[in-house]
Amino acid sequence: QSVLTQSPSASGTPGQRVSISCSGSSSNIGRNYVYWYQQVPGTAPKALIFKNNQRPSGVPDRLSGSKSGTSASLAISGLRSEDEADYYCAAWDDSLSGWVFGGGTKLTVL
Amino acid sequence: QVQLVQSGAEVKKPGASVTVSCKAFGFTFTAYHMHWVRQAPGQGLEWMGRINPGSGGTNYAQKFQGRVTMTRDTSITTAFMELSGLTSDDTAVYYCAREWSADPYFDYWGQGTLVTVSS
Repeated sequence: QSVLTQSPSASGTPGQRVSISCSGSSSNIGRNYVYWYQQVPGTAPKALIFKNNQRPSGVPDRLSGSKSGTSASLAISGLRSEDEADYYCAAWDDSLSGWVFGGGTKLTVL
Repeated sequence: QVQLVQSGAEVKKPGASVTVSCKAFGFTFTAYHMHWVRQAPGQGLEWMGRINPGSGGTNYAQKFQGRVTMTRDTSITTAFMELSGLTSDDTAVYYCAREWSADPYFDYWGQGTLVTVSS
């Protein structure tokens, strides 16, 4: 019952490019920036993308973000085993006056 | 270096309250908003609210208003999150997270505090 909708799972083989999607509404993604976080199970989340497509220092450029209308996506190219984690999208929601997250996508590297 | 160190795990009975602390190291505590995010077992992330340590001003998620109180003690560079009226649905890992100064994303996170609510 997350406000933002993500597919529960995604997978790829090493070296492949995978894309993780996030769907929202006009009150969140439609009007505000999208953010992406990575969480390795048992650890705290880590920021990957801010302002739709900007990478914090230290995040490799094989990760990229994009947004169109009320949807956004995170792309990971040159997939590596260490990319296996849960990925969450987030955005500010004007109607709720708070941050909302997607339910998370579990990425498996086959 | 920047670090957020949270208090240890808690076990509480239904109806009780819990307070989780988050001590900041390596940056000017009053210059960055602090947020609280929780994660129930096997579930996603849920934003609870934020505090401006400089002014003490707070914004809470609608879901938690009336039940959560966020405070800070600038003398010990520590933020606190108190949640009352606990139920089993509040069993979760609670994180504090710093908001980056130039854009409102969470750039540093605490290690998390497991709160278990059980009779």
